[in-house]
Amino acid sequence: ETGVTQSPTHLIKTRGQQVTLRCSSQSGHNTVSWYQQALGQGPQFIFQYYREEENGRGNFPPRFSGLQFPNYSSELNVNALELDDSALYLCASSYDRGSNYGYTFGSGTRLTVV
Amino acid sequence: GQNIDQPTEMTATEGAIVQINCTYQTSGFNGLFWYQQHAGEAPTFLSYNVLDGLEEKGRFSSFLSRSKGYSYLLLKELQMKDSASYLCAVRDDYQKVTFGTGTKLQVIP
Repeated sequence: ETGVTQSPTHLIKTRGQQVTLRCSSQSGHNTVSWYQQALGQGPQFIFQYYREEENGRGNFPPRFSGLQFPNYSSELNVNALELDDSALYLCASSYDRGSNYGYTFGSGTRLTVV
Repeated sequence: GQNIDQPTEMTATEGAIVQINCTYQTSGFNGLFWYQQHAGEAPTFLSYNVLDGLEEKGRFSSFLSRSKGYSYLLLKELQMKDSASYLCAVRDDYQKVTFGTGTKLQVIP
């Protein structure tokens, strides 16, 4: 069984640009959650997708948007990048929204905005 | 909303036992998770509690008291490889999982 795969691993963007991050969920998992983790901090919830529908959103502005595809892979899009968007972006998949088995995290995408 | 508190850092000796505490305040509760995160790596799932009491899994145990909004993670027979950050996370009634800032554990010889 494959785990969660994220791409790209690292990315450098200029302030004002747009970025798309990609995530392939673990086989059999229908729920994907995205988190932003600043250095030395815990992951901050961005949003969750369940069976292609957004199923909850954290305190992030609308320029953070996402998609989930029929194969349950997902994208995170960020428009009008700001310097504070520099962080590790983690994708996590789970068997279901209420799974007792926790999330399986991908290795993350390190985004640097200059 | 959710508020989760954990100590920022802890140090313990190889072979010893360490307890990492977590207190939380939530608008709804549907389970508490512990994750381990080594520097530069993704978090990995350690344990899940939804009912009061102790869950044991090898060298790791996790305890929950819902009435007190309190949990702890107990690590026994500490090994150098246990040096990592330990994240407490709470799931609310809407299935949203909120993470604490993490406790950085350093295991020393």
